Amino acid sequence: DVKVTQSSRYLVKRTGEKVFLECVQDMDHENMFWYRQDPGLGLRLIYFSYDVKMKEKGDIPEGYSVSREKKERFSLILESASTNQTSMYLCASSSGTSRYTDTQYFGPGTRLTVL
Amino acid sequence: AQTVTQSQPEMSVQEAETVTLSCTYDTSESDYYLFWYKQPPSRQMILVIRQEAYKQQNATENRFSVNFQKAAKSFSLKISDSQLGDAAMYFCAYGYSGNTPLVFGKGTRLSVIA
Repeated sequence: DVKVTQSSRYLVKRTGEKVFLECVQDMDHENMFWYRQDPGLGLRLIYFSYDVKMKEKGDIPEGYSVSREKKERFSLILESASTNQTSMYLCASSSGTSRYTDTQYFGPGTRLTVL
Repeated sequence: AQTVTQSQPEMSVQEAETVTLSCTYDTSESDYYLFWYKQPPSRQMILVIRQEAYKQQNATENRFSVNFQKAAKSFSLKISDSQLGDAAMYFCAYGYSGNTPLVFGKGTRLSVIA
């Protein structure tokens, strides 16, 4: 089974702090994604990576950056956390060259609260 | 722009009964994919079922089946013989072989009553 893990299930940070969310997948998938999930809004894509050191902006990249130094690891960085970044963050991965039509495998999510 | 609409924010079903979750979408593409994902409480989101638009036959996975109406742009999920473990948030999603990210609906929360 594909396993996608995220570094924390719950995280509480202060406004202005730099926050790192890490995601690791164990199935050698090329594609990795970071989503934000908010009630009533569904899932929105923050960033996508299709290869090591490659990244593309999603729908809501403002205030976020990402890093992919190794194929299995994809990090989401909040440079200066703000209260409006309080949310559930989901990481996902998929194989193949078809970015958005192959099945995505999700991690358990990190619920981030920014005070 | 593509949109996905799930018109039922919450639904409930009695155990062993059948329930249908609705999903409609808007697209000008002819070749695309549709998905239903399930997110149980405090657990990982998993794929329930995937449908390729060019395939006429409705996808099925055990107790889960879809009613795909391409002309009507409708993609409903039917859960037969509902079980307590089916209680979850269900998301409908649309994707196609382009550079547009997967589009998710806002979700339907399904409760299963024993």
